[in-house]
Amino acid sequence: GAVVSQHPSRVICKSGTSVKIECRSLDFQATTMFWYRQFPKQSLMLMATSNEGSKATYEQGVEKDKFLINHASLTLSTLTVTSAHPEDSSFYICSASSGGGWSYEQYFGPGTRLTVT
Amino acid sequence: AQTVTQSQPEMSVQEAETVTLSCTYDTSENNYYLFWYKQPPSRQMILVIRQEAYKQQNATENRFSVNFQKAAKSFSLKISDSQLGDTAMYFCAFTSRGAGNMLTFGGGTRLMVKP
Repeated sequence: GAVVSQHPSRVICKSGTSVKIECRSLDFQATTMFWYRQFPKQSLMLMATSNEGSKATYEQGVEKDKFLINHASLTLSTLTVTSAHPEDSSFYICSASSGGGWSYEQYFGPGTRLTVT
Repeated sequence: AQTVTQSQPEMSVQEAETVTLSCTYDTSENNYYLFWYKQPPSRQMILVIRQEAYKQQNATENRFSVNFQKAAKSFSLKISDSQLGDTAMYFCAFTSRGAGNMLTFGGGTRLMVKP
């Protein structure tokens, strides 16, 4: 099956700094990538949808200036948490879809645990 | 807007027994897909099974099967011969033509398989 990687798997950063998380589709071209946030024992919350070469679409309540998403190629999307604060600590998951249609499966990365101290 | 509801926050089952996880959804669309995802302690999301709304036949994948009741907007997951490795969070999810390729997830059910 299709493989999606995320890097880093874990990151600890100091409050006020920025951190970048990479999401890569390893064996397919991802026309659409999704970024989710997951709090402990809760479901996945969609943060934004990005299509290659265009600006990301953010869900209501997600600060686009704080969570910068770039989908510069068909195999790479990045999420940058700017000026991180302890409340940004969470588990971030990306997923990727290869099709332009709505019924294509999303393939999930293994997630990144962010801790802001 | 679509909603997905999982009414069982936690469930447990003895190894080798059968368990059913419930999921209901709400949509005004006719053309959609439903999914069950498994999230083990590693937190990697794994697709368990998928159901296309226009197919009346219930999907089956080895020990996993669904009971899809379109009129009732119900989509339950049955796990037969439960194994210790089935211990995980299970999420029901929905996507439709109107939603593009976006998934709407339920709140999840934590399943514990006991030896």
